[in-house]
Amino acid sequence: GQQLNQSPQSMFIQEGEDVSMNCTSSSIFNTWLWYKQDPGEGPVLLIALYKAGELTSNGRLTAQFGITRKDSFLNISASIPSDVGIYFCAGQLGTSYGKLTFGQGTILTVHP
Amino acid sequence: DTEVTQTPKHLVMGMTNKKSLKCEQHMGHRAMYWYKQKAKKPPELMFVYSYEKLSINESVPSRFSPECPNSSLLNLHLHALQPEDSALYLCASRGTRAREQYFGPGTRLTVT
Repeated sequence: GQQLNQSPQSMFIQEGEDVSMNCTSSSIFNTWLWYKQDPGEGPVLLIALYKAGELTSNGRLTAQFGITRKDSFLNISASIPSDVGIYFCAGQLGTSYGKLTFGQGTILTVHP
Repeated sequence: DTEVTQTPKHLVMGMTNKKSLKCEQHMGHRAMYWYKQKAKKPPELMFVYSYEKLSINESVPSRFSPECPNSSLLNLHLHALQPEDSALYLCASRGTRAREQYFGPGTRLTVT
């Protein structure tokens, strides 16, 4: 089946630094979603991408849908302590009732 | 409003108990999902309901029994669970035309 490679697996950064993470796939998707999950809570949707090449921002977050449709990245600028959590990418092909393929997650730790 | 609610927040049950998890959304979404998530891993799809009909069962053991009483409600009935079934159980929903999935806060299940 489809697999998503998400990297890095974990990041330890200082407050104020920028962060970049990405996902690559062996297959194409027509939607990329980025989620953040805090411990013991459900994933929260950060950004949704629908078209190849699309670049979308949400506050300090910026994400892009790769032009090959097989990759996406998420950047966080000027990180703050509340950015701590696990970030998941998810790809959707558009068939099969919206079934998502998830990356393994990036664990982000921000030191004050 | 993109809220999905889940009850209970926490559940501890013995291996001979019968319990149910409940999920509710009032966004008019017609696709609803159950996921199982282990610590620091991505969510794993269990079931998909589309227009109140079970559309996908990801080979889930019969001790998990989903039910969709109406377009706003989704239940997961639990019976004779095993300790390895302890996990965070997440519900999600998706609109008919939109491609985003919105997750609830989850139910933390512990099987003793």
